[in-house]
Amino acid sequence: SQKIEQNSEALNIQEGKTATLTCNYTNYSPAYLQWYRQDPGRGPVFLLLIRENEKEKRKERLKVTFDTTLKQSLFHITASQPADSATYLCAPNTGGFKTIFGAGTRLFVKA
Amino acid sequence: NAGVTQTPKFQVLKTGQSMTLQCAQDMNHNSMYWYRQDPGMGLRLIYYSASEGTTDKGEVPNGYNVSRLNKREFSLRLESAAPSQTSVYFCASGTGTTQETQYFGPGTRLLVL
Repeated sequence: SQKIEQNSEALNIQEGKTATLTCNYTNYSPAYLQWYRQDPGRGPVFLLLIRENEKEKRKERLKVTFDTTLKQSLFHITASQPADSATYLCAPNTGGFKTIFGAGTRLFVKA
Repeated sequence: NAGVTQTPKFQVLKTGQSMTLQCAQDMNHNSMYWYRQDPGMGLRLIYYSASEGTTDKGEVPNGYNVSRLNKREFSLRLESAAPSQTSVYFCASGTGTTQETQYFGPGTRLLVL
């Protein structure tokens, strides 16, 4: 069955450093992959989408890579700030309506 | 624009009781979704509606029913609540096109005793 793995342990980093979150998937070949941010008590918010033919995508301090050979996506936040503290969800999608979300990685950025 | 709204925000039910969770979107989106989120697990799709007039099962549909009332509204009904349905429920909407982004509501926290 399709499976998504994100680091279940929280990631703690110092303000100003780069945070790197990992998303691994197995048993399917997504046409694209999305990253969402979720704050405690709130619904997820879309951040970035990267397609299978794109190696890298950037938006301000965010960078996403997509390696279809490794079946992995990396999500980077450069110059991290305490306001970046949240849970980040990845969602590889084959193109249909049934999006599968990872359980998310909790990020804490310490001032 | 309010985006996606959900009611109620919180609800406590006794086992066997029924209730309907309401969801509405004002973005003229075609597709709408219901997810549940449990600790340590990702969002799991319960039902979705690709367009007005259609509904389909997701990953965990048992114990739930849905109604796409019109393009704006998509409700989720629990006919006979069970403690295993204690969860946070999120409604989302999307454009209904390929590679769509989903827009989520604030969630409904449901406790079934």
